[in-house]
Amino acid sequence: DVKVTQSSRYLVKRTGEKVFLECVQDMDHENMFWYRQDPGLGLRLIYFSYDVKMKEKGDIPEGYSVSREKKERFSLILESASTNQTSMYLCASSLDTGGYGYTFGSGTRLTVV
Amino acid sequence: RKEVEQDPGPFNVPEGATVAFNCTYSNSASQSFFWYRQDCRKEPKLLMSVYSSGNEDGRFTAQLNRASQYISLLIRDSKLSDSATYLCVVLIYNTDKLIFGTGTRLQVFP
Repeated sequence: DVKVTQSSRYLVKRTGEKVFLECVQDMDHENMFWYRQDPGLGLRLIYFSYDVKMKEKGDIPEGYSVSREKKERFSLILESASTNQTSMYLCASSLDTGGYGYTFGSGTRLTVV
Repeated sequence: RKEVEQDPGPFNVPEGATVAFNCTYSNSASQSFFWYRQDCRKEPKLLMSVYSSGNEDGRFTAQLNRASQYISLLIRDSKLSDSATYLCVVLIYNTDKLIFGTGTRLQVFP
């Protein structure tokens, strides 16, 4: 089974801090995604990547950036954390396009105080 | 208008009941359709894909109506372990991004 590992399950950060959320997958998947999930809003796509050093903005990229230096690792960066970025962050990977075979990590619940 | 709309529920049903969830999508260029299941405080997991001809997986039946832009999920003989949030998910043609509905919560009671 594909495993997608997010480095932290719970994280508390202060407003203005730079925050790194790490995601690693172990099945040589090309595609990786970062979503955030909020009550009543569902999962919203922040950024995605189809290859090393490649990144594309999703629907809500403002206040975030990403890094994909290696195929297996996709990092989400909050340049200057704000309270409205308190959320559940979910990383996903997939082997191919077409929506099949998305595997999610277990999520990082980030609280910005 | 949201691209994928679902009734948030909750649907509270007794064990053994049959329950149906509906979902509508607004983008006619939607290509592929899925139901994901998400347990409380866990990540979403693929439950089943949805095909135009309809498809069944054990107690679960999924239907797609492209003309009405409507997807359904039917669960027969509900089990306590079916309690979860069910997410309707759509892939838009010529993109590789999944669009998620906000989910329908199901609670099965003894």
